[in-house]
Amino acid sequence: KAGVTQTPRYLIKTRGQQVTLSCSPISGHRSVSWYQQTPGQGLQFLFEYFSETQRNKGNFPGRFSGRQFSNSRSEMNVSTLELGDSALYLCASSSGTRTETQYFGPGTRLLVL
Amino acid sequence: AQTVTQSQPEMSVQEAETVTLSCTYDTSENNYYLFWYKQPPSRQMILVIRQEAYKQQNATENRFSVNFQKAAKSFSLKISDSQLGDTAMYFCAFTPNDYKLSFGAGTTVTVRA
Repeated sequence: KAGVTQTPRYLIKTRGQQVTLSCSPISGHRSVSWYQQTPGQGLQFLFEYFSETQRNKGNFPGRFSGRQFSNSRSEMNVSTLELGDSALYLCASSSGTRTETQYFGPGTRLLVL
Repeated sequence: AQTVTQSQPEMSVQEAETVTLSCTYDTSENNYYLFWYKQPPSRQMILVIRQEAYKQQNATENRFSVNFQKAAKSFSLKISDSQLGDTAMYFCAFTPNDYKLSFGAGTTVTVRA
């Protein structure tokens, strides 16, 4: 089975712009979670989608949003980028039950200038 | 609050020797799942091992094993016969009562030749 894929892998944006990141889960997985990783804050949960519905949300401002499509692919969007949004964004997929392990993609490195 | 504490920011071990990483967590839940992930310099997050809290038997996965002490809320990882490829940052994580992973700050492990 192919693993979790994320596109793009690297991205450079300027303050005030917006960005969309994409995540394709492992085939058959219906849950996609997004995490932000920074040196200062570590790994923080953004949100989780299951069957096109946001099921769980972390403590991030409304500039961070996401969605999931019927084929379970997910996108996250960050509007009005700030310097502090520079981070590695990881997505993880699972079958969607609490008992199942989350498998991670390679991440998208976002640099905001 | 559900928190995970990794008290060792960095550890160094000689090739072929054993190293143990500590992790404590805080939750009021009785049923949860614990994980160790490794993140090598490529930044890909890779599952090392998982443990179900309802199981008393400690999980093992080849050279990796855990010491799970539920009453003490402790979940340490032992890497035996360390190899150069084990050099990575190791994260302890758990899913208490929802679908998100709560991560510790990580421990950087360096295996010396």
